[in-house]
Amino acid sequence: ILNVEQSPQSLHVQEGDSTNFTCSFPSSNFYALHWYRWETAKSPEALFVMTLNGDEKKKGRISATLNTKEGYSYLYIKGSQPEDSATYLCAFIAGNNRKLIWGLGTSLAVNP
Amino acid sequence: DSGVTQTPKHLITATGQRVTLRCSPRSGDLSVYWYQQSLDQGLQFLIQYYNGEERAKGNILERFSAQQFPDLHSELNLSSLELGDSALYFCASSVERGGQETQYFGPGTRLLVL
Repeated sequence: ILNVEQSPQSLHVQEGDSTNFTCSFPSSNFYALHWYRWETAKSPEALFVMTLNGDEKKKGRISATLNTKEGYSYLYIKGSQPEDSATYLCAFIAGNNRKLIWGLGTSLAVNP
Repeated sequence: DSGVTQTPKHLITATGQRVTLRCSPRSGDLSVYWYQQSLDQGLQFLIQYYNGEERAKGNILERFSAQQFPDLHSELNLSSLELGDSALYFCASSVERGGQETQYFGPGTRLLVL
């Protein structure tokens, strides 16, 4: 059974703090890893698609790294703002069947 | 606005009934995915269609079925509904570029089974 785990489950930070959270996935049969941002009352929005070991992607204050050999990805937010408050989901795609397996997300709340 | 539309936005029905949820993908996207999100669970992948054909199956119950039509819109049919089927149902469409696929989610249909 393929398992994708995200930690922590939830996180509260102050505006201006930098933060990071983890997505762990099976290290074998890797095809891709996706990060999505999901704001309350909206639908998930794609952040990054990562495919290569050592990949680093950046979008504004948000960046992500990927280690396929050990099976983890980190998402970093620099200088958190209240509008960053959302649930951040990762999804692992296995190479053999290309199915997406979703983590349960990390819920981030940024206090002004 | 992702360009993916879903109807209806809300649906209230009774146990034992059957409902149909509709999804229109972004223009040009050939893949449609269906997801269920319950209160106590994360996003559960149900099924994927690509250009009219079923491509991948996830945790979809036998009471549920889906199809993708020639115009690429998709319908998710839920029958013999149970209280536990109350959830938010998302569809997403995707495009693959350079070997990388990004999914664009619709606004979801919130189903309440009473």
